[in-house]
Amino acid sequence: DVKVTQSSRYLVKRTGEKVFLECVQDMDHENMFWYRQDPGLGLRLIYFSYDVKMKEKGDIPEGYSVSREKKERFSLILESASTNQTSMYLCASSLSTGYTEAFFGQGTRLTVV
Amino acid sequence: AQSVTQPDIHITVSEGASLELRCNYSYGATPYLFWYVQSPGQGLQLLLKYFSGDTLVQGIKGFEAEFKRSQSSFNLRKPSVHWSDAAEYFCAVGANNRKLIWGLGTSLAVNP
Repeated sequence: DVKVTQSSRYLVKRTGEKVFLECVQDMDHENMFWYRQDPGLGLRLIYFSYDVKMKEKGDIPEGYSVSREKKERFSLILESASTNQTSMYLCASSLSTGYTEAFFGQGTRLTVV
Repeated sequence: AQSVTQPDIHITVSEGASLELRCNYSYGATPYLFWYVQSPGQGLQLLLKYFSGDTLVQGIKGFEAEFKRSQSSFNLRKPSVHWSDAAEYFCAVGANNRKLIWGLGTSLAVNP
């Protein structure tokens, strides 16, 4: 079975901290995604990676960066966490080009205090 | 512009009743369409997908969806809803840049 694993289900961090959210997929997928989910706003794409060391900004990249040093791992970094980054973060992966479906992790509920 | 619209933000149905969740899309090319479900506090799970062929597609958990090109719609249906179907449902279109375009979701509540 396809599996996408996010390192934490819940995180509480302080304002100004540097925060790392980790995501690992075991399917040899090319594409990996980080989304943010807030009530009434649906899923908003933060960053997308289509290959190792390759990344592309999504709709809301401000305040975030990403790292993909290995194909199976995609990290989201909050350089200096702020309270407005309190949210549910979802990682996903998909196979390659075209229109294949995305597979999601369980999500990380991040609270910044 | 490419977009997905789910007109209903919230729907409440009684257990055992039928269900239809609406999805309309705007996309220039042949659409690749998906429905996902999200239980509270969880990630998203694929219910079904349409790539080509038969316009009525079957998915998991007893769901089906019908692609209607003339109406730019891909509505999700279930003949008899169970309490465990209470969740958030998302419609998405696969774009040619490897990404998915998402609707804002429909929250389904089921009355006993």
